[in-house]
Amino acid sequence: DAGVIQSPRHEVTEMGQEVTLRCKLISGHNSLFWYRQTMMRGLELLIYFNNNVPIDDSGMPEDRFSAKMPNASFSTLKIQPSEPRDSAVYFCASSVDYSYNEQFFGPGTRLTVL
Amino acid sequence: AQSVTQPDIHITVSEGASLELRCNYSYGATPYLFWYVQSPGQGLQLLLKYFSGDTLVQGIKGFEAEFKRSQSSFNLRKPSVHWSDAAEYFCAVGAIGGNKLVFGAGTILRVKS
Repeated sequence: DAGVIQSPRHEVTEMGQEVTLRCKLISGHNSLFWYRQTMMRGLELLIYFNNNVPIDDSGMPEDRFSAKMPNASFSTLKIQPSEPRDSAVYFCASSVDYSYNEQFFGPGTRLTVL
Repeated sequence: AQSVTQPDIHITVSEGASLELRCNYSYGATPYLFWYVQSPGQGLQLLLKYFSGDTLVQGIKGFEAEFKRSQSSFNLRKPSVHWSDAAEYFCAVGAIGGNKLVFGAGTILRVKS
C-alpha cells in the first residue's frame, strides 16, 4: 500500500495566484481530512469528508479556501487568491472506519506564498 | 467537545534516559486516545492508540502509554531514549462514534548525547 499521497510536495507561488493541493486516499478508506500546520497555530483541522460528503468545514479560514472530493479516492484543496499568511504545511489524512478515528497522514505540501 | 493539553512544549533528555511525555484530555466519556510522532519535514505517524481494555498500551519504536481515567491522562513513556527519537509528539483524542480528532499543541523532544 502506497499510503496517502500528496502533491505537490512543495509549492512556491506569488500572492494572488490560485493554488491547488492534491491528495489521494489509501484504497478502501472513506474519510478524508485536510489539516494546516504552522508554527503559530499548530495543527488545525480545516475540513473533513466522509464518503465524499463534507461533514465539517468549520475550520476553513475564509471563502478563499475550498475543498472537493470528486471521487472516493481523491481530493483537492484550493486557495484562490492566495495570500502570504496562507504559507504553511498542508496535510491530508485518511481513515478507514467512521468509528475508529485512526488517521493515516500524507507527507504534506509545504506552501510558500510570496 | 473534547480537548487535549500537552503541558510541555519542549523536553530535553539524555540518550539512554527514560522519557515521559504528558497528555491530559477533556471528554465526557471514555475517549479514543492516540499518540503521533512527527519527524522534521515528515507527516505524522501513529505510535499507539487506546480504544478500550488494558490501560497500558504498547506501540511502535518501544513506546508505551498508560490511560488513567481518574487523572484524565494518557502519558507516553519510553524506558531508554535513542537519538533518533528526537521529534515532535502529538497527543490526540477522538469521540466514540465520530471520526474527528482533536490534537494537542505538541511536545518537541530533544535528545542530547
